[in-house]
Amino acid sequence: AQSVTQPDIHITVSEGASLELRCNYSYGATPYLFWYVQSPGQGLQLLLKYFSGDTLVQGIKGFEAEFKRSQSSFNLRKPSVHWSDAAEYCCAVGAVNGNKLVFGAGTILRVKS
Amino acid sequence: GAGVSQSPSNKVTEKGKDVELRCDPISGHTALYWYRQSLGQGLEFLIYFQGNSAPDKSGLPSDRFSAERTGGSVSTLTIQRTQQEDSAVYLCASSLWGAVQETQYFGPGTRLLVL
Repeated sequence: AQSVTQPDIHITVSEGASLELRCNYSYGATPYLFWYVQSPGQGLQLLLKYFSGDTLVQGIKGFEAEFKRSQSSFNLRKPSVHWSDAAEYCCAVGAVNGNKLVFGAGTILRVKS
Repeated sequence: GAGVSQSPSNKVTEKGKDVELRCDPISGHTALYWYRQSLGQGLEFLIYFQGNSAPDKSGLPSDRFSAERTGGSVSTLTIQRTQQEDSAVYLCASSLWGAVQETQYFGPGTRLLVL
């Protein structure tokens, strides 16, 4: 069965600092990988996704993620965090030829000024 | 255009009562999903519709949970004889097709509290 682990429940970073949110998955093959963001009062929004090819993917709002097969990881990064990035970030996997997503528990990001 | 909408946004009910949660997907989206998020947990898949049929109901936690979709559009998730452990945020998502690489667009959710 697929599973997703986001080891950090909460992370606090200073505005302007770099950010890396960790995501590890368990799956028999390379799954499709996603990062979603959930801001207060808003629904989940897709940040980026990886299916194949270049292992560094660019997303919206200046985010990027890198797929590392050897580590079964898909970590999310941003070079300089803005206060508006404070939100919950959810990593998800989907099986090739599947339909549903399996989500991690999420990481809540707090940005301090 | 309009996104996925859900109603009600909040629902408080007493243990043992039945509740209905509604989802209006994006027009033209053939696939519809229900997830729930319990406190401190990640989103948990409940059921997937392609058109009006549900080829994957594997996430429904018990037979108290059921869902239907009519006209290839609106979906209703029904929880019978609610229990306190049913308290969660119920999220609906839709996508153009029922393939995982299609972006799923999420609604704002219904927050259910069972007293």
